[in-house]
Amino acid sequence: SQTIHQWPATLVQPVGSPLSLECTVEGTSNPNLYWYRQAAGRGLQLLFYSVGIGQISSEVPQNLSASRPQDRQFILSSKKLLLSDSGFYLCAWRTGGVSTDTQYFGPGTRLTVL
Amino acid sequence: DAKTTQPPSMDCAEGRAANLPCNHSTISGNEYVYWYRQIHSQGPQYIIHGLKNNETNEMASLIITEDRKSSTLILPHATLRDTAVYYCIVRVSGGYQKVTFGTGTKLQVIP
Repeated sequence: SQTIHQWPATLVQPVGSPLSLECTVEGTSNPNLYWYRQAAGRGLQLLFYSVGIGQISSEVPQNLSASRPQDRQFILSSKKLLLSDSGFYLCAWRTGGVSTDTQYFGPGTRLTVL
Repeated sequence: DAKTTQPPSMDCAEGRAANLPCNHSTISGNEYVYWYRQIHSQGPQYIIHGLKNNETNEMASLIITEDRKSSTLILPHATLRDTAVYYCIVRVSGGYQKVTFGTGTKLQVIP
């Protein structure tokens, strides 16, 4: 069966510090991968998605970046965090197929920037 | 993606059926209706999806109107663990399109 891992689960970082969040998927090949952010009390905002190794599409301009060094690994990074980067970060993968498009989400990382 | 409209919150008594509505009046013929839920501090969880026929699985039932402009997610016997935010999404299938989540409906199951 497929599983998705995210770490760390929680993170407190000072403003201006770097960030690296990792997501890995097991049990599937060539998944579509997604990074979302959810601010407190808000809906999910898509940040990046990837259809393959090294292929990253950005949805929202910001000081975050994403990379996909391996087929089942997706990394979210920042060189200098802002207060507004606080939120709940979710990684998701999409099951393939022609007729359905279900996404499965990881447990999330709660980031607090102080 | 077509937009959806959901009530911001609903209450349901434990053991009763929870009926969560969703309006998607601009849905296209090739767009599916998906439902996810997000329990506090967890990632969203897929519940069910459908195109035009009613669907049922171990978690819920999905009723889609004949004109497909609205749908209802039914949790037949709500439990306290069903307290969550429920998202209704419409989207075409296939490709690598993103899932756009709105603010959903906060369902509170009351003992």
